[in-house]
Amino acid sequence: RKEVEQDPGPFNVPEGATVAFNCTYSNSASQSFFWYRQDCRKEPKLLMSVYSSGNEDGRFTAQLNRASQYISLLIRDSKLSDSATYLCVVPFNQGGKLIFGQGTELSVKP
Amino acid sequence: ETGVTQSPTHLIKTRGQQVTLRCSSQSGHNTVSWYQQALGQGPQFIFQYYREEENGRGNFPPRFSGLQFPNYSSELNVNALELDDSALYLCASSPRASGGGSYNEQFFGPGTRLTVL
Repeated sequence: RKEVEQDPGPFNVPEGATVAFNCTYSNSASQSFFWYRQDCRKEPKLLMSVYSSGNEDGRFTAQLNRASQYISLLIRDSKLSDSATYLCVVPFNQGGKLIFGQGTELSVKP
Repeated sequence: ETGVTQSPTHLIKTRGQQVTLRCSSQSGHNTVSWYQQALGQGPQFIFQYYREEENGRGNFPPRFSGLQFPNYSSELNVNALELDDSALYLCASSPRASGGGSYNEQFFGPGTRLTVL
């Protein structure tokens, strides 16, 4: 089993749609989780952090289910500018290593 | 505040050659991590440097090596290049090394795109 797994997509949705991405992780001891956004041919940038059951920031909601070792990212009222790859990230306990999922590609169409 | 910078932006090498990639960390950050991102994949951790010493390594062979300098800038060296080394190499800096469950946000540079022919 991969340490962090995501549905690669692509997800093609119309503007205004609600879309959800899922991510599973294998290390039950993980305490913190992150969603990064990566635009085409650019570097990843932190979108949201998840330390407890969830986090909300405007149109974005991240939820954590520790029992199922599952993290989700919900985007409401999708904008064209949300088109990007969304990376689920789990820090390794030691050495500052970030473990990335393969990313989920989102394309928002007019 | 200057962000993370990397050089060069693009590089083309042939199999068997050696390459050196450079990274300048964000002001005030003393920790640098390197990642390899193949096309269509998420970044994979190569290693991290904290105060000029290696502080964690991923599943990469010894021909991947690094350095960190007193000003916290860093180099990634890859010897005996292989075709599969073609990727985007990302450098990330953070305020201090993480461990024991703690985490410091890592800020990524724009990357160096390496093509091995």
